[in-house]
Amino acid sequence: GQQVMQIPQYQHVQEGEDFTTYCNSSTTLSNIQWYKQRPGGHPVFLIQLVKSGEVKKQKRLTFQFGEAKKNSSLHITATQTTDVGTYFCAGPKHNQGGKLIFGQGTELSVKP
Amino acid sequence: DSGVTQTPKHLITATGQRVTLRCSPRSGDLSVYWYQQSLDQGLQFLIQYYNGEERAKGNILERFSAQQFPDLHSELNLSSLELGDSALYFCASSANTGTAYSYEQYFGPGTRLTVT
Repeated sequence: GQQVMQIPQYQHVQEGEDFTTYCNSSTTLSNIQWYKQRPGGHPVFLIQLVKSGEVKKQKRLTFQFGEAKKNSSLHITATQTTDVGTYFCAGPKHNQGGKLIFGQGTELSVKP
Repeated sequence: DSGVTQTPKHLITATGQRVTLRCSPRSGDLSVYWYQQSLDQGLQFLIQYYNGEERAKGNILERFSAQQFPDLHSELNLSSLELGDSALYFCASSANTGTAYSYEQYFGPGTRLTVT
């Protein structure tokens, strides 16, 4: 079945270092969404990418959607302790409307 | 605050029991989704309702059922509970109209279910 895979599962960085998480889908996606879940919190929508090769920035966060629309990445420049949490990518299930398939997430910890 | 509310926040119950989790979507959102999050399984989609009708189903057990009411709030019923059902249950809502396009989802704070 359709799968969305994320790597790495865990990432520990020193504050100020960069961080990247990668998302790969087994099928072409119409769009991809990214969510962040803080420890003890709930997933919060960050961004949606729709176009092939699209790049979007939110302050220190850069999101990319691959040319083939099967992969995506999230890059954080100069991490801060406020970046701690689990980052999920999610893609729509083919022909099932709003149903999203979430990746397993990348848990980011930042050492001050 | 996402605008999605869930009750109760915590629930502790015994094996074999039945519980009901409640969710109120953001104002104006017609779609409601239920997810189960456990440590080893990540975010698992259970079921989606759109304007009162079931729209998509995930890996939802037969012991679990859900419905969406005319006022758009939704309930997730879990019966014959087992230890393995202990997890965080999230409700999310979106403006999704049921077409192929997927809108961003807004998650509630979750209900933490502990089965003892």
